[in-house]
Amino acid sequence: EAAVTQSPRNKVTVTGGNVTLSCRQTNSHNYMYWYRQDTGHGLRLIHYSYGAGNLQIGDVPDGYKATRTTQEDFFLLLELASPSQTSLYFCASSDSTSQNTLYFGAGTRLSVL
Amino acid sequence: GDSVTQTEGLVTLTEGLPVMLNCTYQTIYSNAFLFWYVHYLNESPWLLLRSSTDNKRTEHQGFHATLHKSSSSFHLQKSSAQLSDSALYYCALRGGGSGNKLIFGTGTLLSVKP
Repeated sequence: EAAVTQSPRNKVTVTGGNVTLSCRQTNSHNYMYWYRQDTGHGLRLIHYSYGAGNLQIGDVPDGYKATRTTQEDFFLLLELASPSQTSLYFCASSDSTSQNTLYFGAGTRLSVL
Repeated sequence: GDSVTQTEGLVTLTEGLPVMLNCTYQTIYSNAFLFWYVHYLNESPWLLLRSSTDNKRTEHQGFHATLHKSSSSFHLQKSSAQLSDSALYYCALRGGGSGNKLIFGTGTLLSVKP
């Protein structure tokens, strides 16, 4: 049974649209992350969190907001979507040890037309 | 800041030949950890192996890597490539001061041909 679940799996929106990507983990992990994957850029960290109500800025945060409502749930918000945000988005969770392993969800493919 | 460099975007090999995927890193912290993640098409990325102490080899599923702090490298190797090894491989760094986040390289796509 998948321990990190993302929804939706696919999403198409228009420029200027409002999109929310959802992620739920059942690993009892403190940390959750949002990455985007793009050819030539690899996995780039957008935002992450170490607990409910906490938010840390990642490396490519512009145009994205995030909210961690519970230990299990982490949301990524695109309030004015742009074509440059067309990408494959991955959510992941990890514990807080220094040798943490990231457990990834199945990904959400977002297209902004 | 911390960074990871994977110089090869695509590596194409014939089955049975050895695999070596390059990874170098930069960090000011001495207690950095390095990881290799593998991403098969239409699956989720997952951890293949993580670094141990300096100059110690770690192995998993036929792959191995050795952390060399003197050269800031953590290259991934396998003695004989298999068709099923075709995937995207990411090297990642957790520096001592990066707040538990991983910095990923740009990835190397390994394509193994018959």
